[in-house]
Amino acid sequence: AQKVTQAQTEISVVEKEDVTLDCVYETRDTTYYLFWYKQPPSGELVFLIRRNSFDEQNEISGRYSWNFQKSTSSFNFTITASQVVDSAVYFCALSLYNQGGKLIFGQGTELSVKP
Amino acid sequence: DTGVSQDPRHKITKRGQNVTFRCDPISEHNRLYWYRQTLGQGPEFLTYFQNEAQLEKSRLLSDRFSAERPKGSFSTLEIQRTEQGDSAMYLCASSLGGTGDFFFGSGTRLTVV
Repeated sequence: AQKVTQAQTEISVVEKEDVTLDCVYETRDTTYYLFWYKQPPSGELVFLIRRNSFDEQNEISGRYSWNFQKSTSSFNFTITASQVVDSAVYFCALSLYNQGGKLIFGQGTELSVKP
Repeated sequence: DTGVSQDPRHKITKRGQNVTFRCDPISEHNRLYWYRQTLGQGPEFLTYFQNEAQLEKSRLLSDRFSAERPKGSFSTLEIQRTEQGDSAMYLCASSLGGTGDFFFGSGTRLTVV
């Protein structure tokens, strides 16, 4: 069975601190995609990144970076120099190539960045 | 606005009533997905369409739920005889194919009283 685990339910940091959100996934499929979404209080899920299972290169986008390690089935997300606007719930999700693209979400990590 | 739009944003209904939600995907996207999210949980897959064909339905989608995408553009999700357990956020997403990026709407928050 496929599963996504985000063990950190809540994280609280002070502005300008770096923070890493953990994501561990389970699947036996060899072709899959991993995603991160941000959900602010307004409720909309904002797409952040998609990674396919054959691309283990780390990615950096501004203050955001992602570390994909197939050996540990992890796809962690780091925010550098956090800001109050980063406060939100962050979801990691898994999509299998042969299952129509439906997303399997983790339970989310609520990040609170205090000034 | 070229994103995914959902209507209404909020719906309060009495138990036993029928409700219908609408989703307008990004225009060139052929895939449309419905998810349900309860408080403190991640979204859970309900069903998806490729063009007008409904290709998969989750076991979460009881007989009281029906979804349509009649012309391969917008989609509707209807819940008949609502129950308090149906209270949730209903999210719609669209994509170009099943391996592209998935974009979500703002959701419809349903409260059954």
